[in-house]
Amino acid sequence: AAGVIQSPRHLIKEKRETATLKCYPISRHDTVYWYQQGPGQDPQFLISFYEKMQSDKGSIPDRFSAQQFSDYHSELNMSSLELGDSALYFCASSFRGSGANVLTFGAGSRLTVL
Amino acid sequence: AQSVSQHNHHVILSEAASLELGCNYSYGGTVNLFWYVQYPGQHLQLLLKYFSGDPLVKGIKGFEAEFIKSKFSFNLRKPSVQWSDTAEYFCAVSGNNRLAFGKGNQVVVIP
Repeated sequence: AAGVIQSPRHLIKEKRETATLKCYPISRHDTVYWYQQGPGQDPQFLISFYEKMQSDKGSIPDRFSAQQFSDYHSELNMSSLELGDSALYFCASSFRGSGANVLTFGAGSRLTVL
Repeated sequence: AQSVSQHNHHVILSEAASLELGCNYSYGGTVNLFWYVQYPGQHLQLLLKYFSGDPLVKGIKGFEAEFIKSKFSFNLRKPSVQWSDTAEYFCAVSGNNRLAFGKGNQVVVIP
């Protein structure tokens, strides 16, 4: 079965540019999560969506925004990029309705800001 | 909010040695506990999870973990490691539908 699909896998941007990352969850999963993993760091929770509504917000900068669409895919929009935004961005999905919230992670999108 | 502590960030051991990685968590409610592995350059993969029942859980690739509620711990073990176990290991706790990770253990297995 297909897993969580993220695109693009690699992205290079310059400071002050914008970037958009996309995430396609596993079929029938109702919740999407975004995590940021800096070099040598643990994944930090950014934001999550349940049934297309924002359900939780973590350490997401104000320059970032995200949404979940009617087909359950999600996009993370990042503006005014800074060098410190260089990181691996993971998307994960889960089916909260099962009562056991197990996240399945995508392969990640590696953003490099020059 | 939940938090996770992992000790001994860097672990180096030889093949066939036993591995134990410590994980302590704090959370006031019912928690679900996980260990994820991240091989070099790859994404997070679930090793094992604990929700309820038998506190000794077995995962993939010969890994197991024991939930000790009184110690707020969920330590990961493998009796005999292989070179292919070289990876970063993250303990995670889920509460209120948010998954919080520890800082990770970088494990290097020398052939």
